[in-house]
Amino acid sequence: KAGVTQTPRYLIKTRGQQVTLSCSPISGHRSVSWYQQTPGQGLQFLFEYFSETQRNKGNFPGRFSGRQFSNSRSEMNVSTLELGDSALYLCASSRDYSKEETQYFGPGTRLLVL
Amino acid sequence: GQNIDQPTEMTATEGAIVQINCTYQTSGFNGLFWYQQHAGEAPTFLSYNVLDGLEEKGRFSSFLSRSKGYSYLLLKELQMKDSASYLCAVRATDKLIFGTGTRLQVFP
Repeated sequence: KAGVTQTPRYLIKTRGQQVTLSCSPISGHRSVSWYQQTPGQGLQFLFEYFSETQRNKGNFPGRFSGRQFSNSRSEMNVSTLELGDSALYLCASSRDYSKEETQYFGPGTRLLVL
Repeated sequence: GQNIDQPTEMTATEGAIVQINCTYQTSGFNGLFWYQQHAGEAPTFLSYNVLDGLEEKGRFSSFLSRSKGYSYLLLKELQMKDSASYLCAVRATDKLIFGTGTRLQVFP
């Protein structure tokens, strides 16, 4: 079974631009979560989607948004990029929206904002 | 507030045993996960504890005490490939909260 895939793997943008990242979950998984990982902060939760609905949201500004499609694929968008948005963005999928479900991570998209 | 603490770095010798501790304070508790993350790679699932006690899986074991808000990951017969970051994560009421990770270096 194929794992979680994320595209693109690497991205360089400049301040003020916007970016869209894509995540395809493991086949049969319906829940997708997004995280931002930086050296100082570790993994910070962005949001979680299930059945095309945002179920939970972390403490990030409104510049960070996401959506999920009917095939469970998800995208996240960051508008008006800031230098501090440089990070590894990880997507994780799980079978269901259940507190006990294990999340499986994709390889991430490394974003550099200049 | 919600807080997960684990040591920043640890070192150990090949063939030895190492214990990585994790303490947590969260609103709600629905299980604790351990992930391994090699540099430049995605975190991979190691273990899940929701009840008190020890869960053993090969060379890795994970322990949980809910009353103490405490868990540890035990790695036996260390190998060089075990050099990685180990992330403790707690499923709180509405989300998965991660610690900042423990970077383990295994020396020959």
